[in-house]
Amino acid sequence: AQSVTQLGSHVSVSEGALVLLRCNYSSSVPPYLFWYVQYPNQGLQLLLKYTSAATLVKGINGFEAEFKKSETSFHLTKPSAHMSDAAEYFCAVSDDSGYSTLTFGKGTMLLVSP
Amino acid sequence: DSGVTQTPKHLITATGQRVTLRCSPRSGDLSVYWYQQSLDQGLQFLIQYYNGEERAKGNILERFSAQQFPDLHSELNLSSLELGDSALYFCASSVGGQANTGELFFGEGSRLTVL
Repeated sequence: AQSVTQLGSHVSVSEGALVLLRCNYSSSVPPYLFWYVQYPNQGLQLLLKYTSAATLVKGINGFEAEFKKSETSFHLTKPSAHMSDAAEYFCAVSDDSGYSTLTFGKGTMLLVSP
Repeated sequence: DSGVTQTPKHLITATGQRVTLRCSPRSGDLSVYWYQQSLDQGLQFLIQYYNGEERAKGNILERFSAQQFPDLHSELNLSSLELGDSALYFCASSVGGQANTGELFFGEGSRLTVL
């Protein structure tokens, strides 16, 4: 069975600081990995996805994530936080088995202070 | 705006009652997914339909059922409601039948409160 673990339910950074949100996955087959973002009172929106091409994936709004098979990780980073980045971020995993539904982590709330 | 429409946005009802949540997918999307989001369980996959047929089933209770109609809209029926069913229910859609090959587009959710 596939699963993801997001370390830290809340992460606080100052505006302009590095953003690092951690995600570790468990999958018996090569995974597909995703980061979604949820702004207040909105649905989830895809930030980026890894589908076995380049290990460093660039997404929208300056975010990127690196797939590290040896560490079973897919951490999300952004060099400089902006106030508008405050939201909840979800890591998700899928695989090639069956119909490959997405399994989401519990989410990390990113708080950005001025 | 993702293009996925969910109604109602908010619903308050009593234990033992039955409610229906509706979802209209993005134009051209054939798959509809239902997810339940609660504070303790996080985002849980319930069920997926592809072009009118059930494609995958997750942690969906027997008291819950869903269907996708010929016009591709979907309804999630929740019956014999319990306090623990209070949650945000999301619908998502995608073009294809497999979640890993593309992007899921989420609606804004239907917030269900059971009193």
